[in-house]
Amino acid sequence: EAGVAQSPRYKIIEKRQSVAFWCNPISGHATLYWYQQILGQGPKLLIQFQNNGVVDDSQLPKDRFSAERLKGVDSTLKIQPAKLEDSAVYLCASSLGSGSPGEQYFGPGTRLTVT
Amino acid sequence: QKEVEQDPGPLSVPEGAIVSLNCTYSNSAFQYFMWYRQYSRKGPELLMYTYSSGNKEDGRFTAQVDKSSKYISLFIRDSQPSDSATYLCAMSPPGKLTFGTGTRLQVTL
Repeated sequence: EAGVAQSPRYKIIEKRQSVAFWCNPISGHATLYWYQQILGQGPKLLIQFQNNGVVDDSQLPKDRFSAERLKGVDSTLKIQPAKLEDSAVYLCASSLGSGSPGEQYFGPGTRLTVT
Repeated sequence: QKEVEQDPGPLSVPEGAIVSLNCTYSNSAFQYFMWYRQYSRKGPELLMYTYSSGNKEDGRFTAQVDKSSKYISLFIRDSQPSDSATYLCAMSPPGKLTFGTGTRLQVTL
């Protein structure tokens, strides 16, 4: 079974530029999550999708971050404009449903550096 | 006060040692408790998953949950160099996961 795929793996941009990350979840997984992991911290949930609807985006900085999950499969996360404090690893995870929180499978992440 | 507190380490132990990793939490609504292992430049992978209080064993790993003290632990027996990683505790009510900061573990030969 293929895991969660993410691209790119690494990205370096200057502040005020825009950037987009892509995630392909495990086939058949209805729930998709985007997390932000700052160095030395645990992952923080940014947004959760159930199929192509948003379940929780309470911690998403909506003035600069946006995410979509078209057709309930792939998802993109965008930052525009980027700030220095956005430097982090952005992790995508997926699960069959949302009722078993432990059954989340994570991708390798995209490491973003904002200079 | 953070909802989940975890000692960041680093923790260095010799091969074969018993390792104890711990987290405390403040939210009484948490019912599901998990431990993830994260190797450098990789995503977290689920190690142990328990519901409510009690112990759960899986090979060299034992997870303990004490809801009365709001305290969870992960024990690793006969630690190996391949166990060197960051260990993240995570917990939730049904739904959103809240992670600890992670403890970096180094098992030396």
